Amino acid sequence: GQNIDQPTEMTATEGAIVQINCTYQTSGFNGLFWYQQHAGEAPTFLSYNVLDGLEEKGRFSSFLSRSKGYSYLLLKELQMKDSASYLCAVMDSNYQLIWGAGTKLIIKP
Amino acid sequence: KAGVTQTPRYLIKTRGQQVTLSCSPISGHRSVSWYQQTPGQGLQFLFEYFSETQRNKGNFPGRFSGRQFSNSRSEMNVSTLELGDSALYLCASSSGPTAGNTIYFGEGSWLTVV
Repeated sequence: GQNIDQPTEMTATEGAIVQINCTYQTSGFNGLFWYQQHAGEAPTFLSYNVLDGLEEKGRFSSFLSRSKGYSYLLLKELQMKDSASYLCAVMDSNYQLIWGAGTKLIIKP
Repeated sequence: KAGVTQTPRYLIKTRGQQVTLSCSPISGHRSVSWYQQTPGQGLQFLFEYFSETQRNKGNFPGRFSGRQFSNSRSEMNVSTLELGDSALYLCASSSGPTAGNTIYFGEGSWLTVV
C-alpha cells in the first residue's frame, strides 16, 4: 500500500528553527508537495520537490531524498503566525496525490 | 485571476437529507478533486475529475458522488446524510494530472449534520 508518515505534533520556540520530516512509500513518484493549513482554513501551497536536494524559499526550505523516500520542511526564524498544520503529499505514478495526516506545529513565545 | 470558489460556505442539514456542494475551479484548470476533512484530521480523498471523467475515487460509500461539467465546474452530492458526514469539504483544482502541477484549494464548505 501507499503510505506517508509525518510526526503528529511538534512544538518550537519563536525565533528558532524547526524541521518537519516526511517519509513515504508510494507506487511511483512524480514529486512531493508541502502545504500549510491554518486552523479552520484551506491548505495553501508551500513547495514542490521532484529532484534530490534543497529548495529554498525565504524562511522556508524543503529537502528531498528520493533514494531514502524522505523529505523535510525547514522553517527558520519562526514566527507565531507559523503555528499551523503542515501537510506532506506525494504524487504517485498515476498523478494522484497521496497525503500524510499532517504535522501540527505549535509555536511558543 | 480568481481562485477556486466553493459554495455554499456554511450549511446545516438534517440527518437523512441530501446535500449538493459546488466548486468552480481556477480559470483554465480542468482537474478538480474533492476532499473531506474532519476536525483535527488529515485530508481524506473523495474523488478527482478531469475533463468530465472521474479519474480516481477514494474509499467512501456510494452515498458520496460527484460530477464535472463541460466548463470544468464540479459538484459533489451526499445523500442520506449521517451525523458523521459533518466536516469541511474542500475542492482543489489544477491544470491536469501531470507531474508538478500544483493543486489549489478553495476555502471549503462547512457541513454540519444535525
